[in-house]
Amino acid sequence: KNQVEQSPQSLIILEGKNCTLQCNYTVSPFSNLRWYKQDTGRGPVSLTIMTFSENTKSNGRYTATLDADTKQSSLHITASQLSDSASYICVVSVRYGGSQGNLIFGKGTKLSVKP
Amino acid sequence: EAQVTQNPRYLITVTGKKLTVTCSQNMNHEYMSWYRQDPGLGLRQIYYSMNVEVTDKGDVPEGYKVSRKEKRNFPLILESPSPNQTSLYFCATTKNIRGQIYEQYFGPGTRLTVT
Repeated sequence: KNQVEQSPQSLIILEGKNCTLQCNYTVSPFSNLRWYKQDTGRGPVSLTIMTFSENTKSNGRYTATLDADTKQSSLHITASQLSDSASYICVVSVRYGGSQGNLIFGKGTKLSVKP
Repeated sequence: EAQVTQNPRYLITVTGKKLTVTCSQNMNHEYMSWYRQDPGLGLRQIYYSMNVEVTDKGDVPEGYKVSRKEKRNFPLILESPSPNQTSLYFCATTKNIRGQIYEQYFGPGTRLTVT
């Protein structure tokens, strides 16, 4: 069964500190892996998209890594800010023919950044 | 400005009273999708559409209907809503061209309460 597991479920850190969120998946055939940021009550916003051949991608203070062999990804946040408080969702896309197909969502990690 | 709009944003209704949540996009995207989000369960796909007149069930389609008569609109229909359909609903869209990977854009969400 296609699944995406994220850890930890929640995390509290102090402003200015770094943190790393984990994502393990059992999705086949794999197309791509995405990280989204979702503020409370709002729609998710894309941070990064990585294909099989990419093992790292950055978007400002966010850096995602992908190990397609072990089917693991991580999202590293550097020098956290209060505005980083949100849920971070890992999403893996199933390859469908030659295109991306269904999206499998993790349950997210809720990050709280405290002053 | 690229937009995904949903209406209404908030709705309180009673069991059995048919309702429609509209979703519209101005990006000429082929792929549109509906999700529901519940605490502890993350985002779950209800229905998706690869293009006009093509719709498919997602993970939790029971109790919902959709239609895709034109490219820009993808309404979600609840023929006889029940309290277990109380949830936060998101519409999302993306381009869908064979061999290419595109970012997915989410709407602002519709909070539905069924009493």
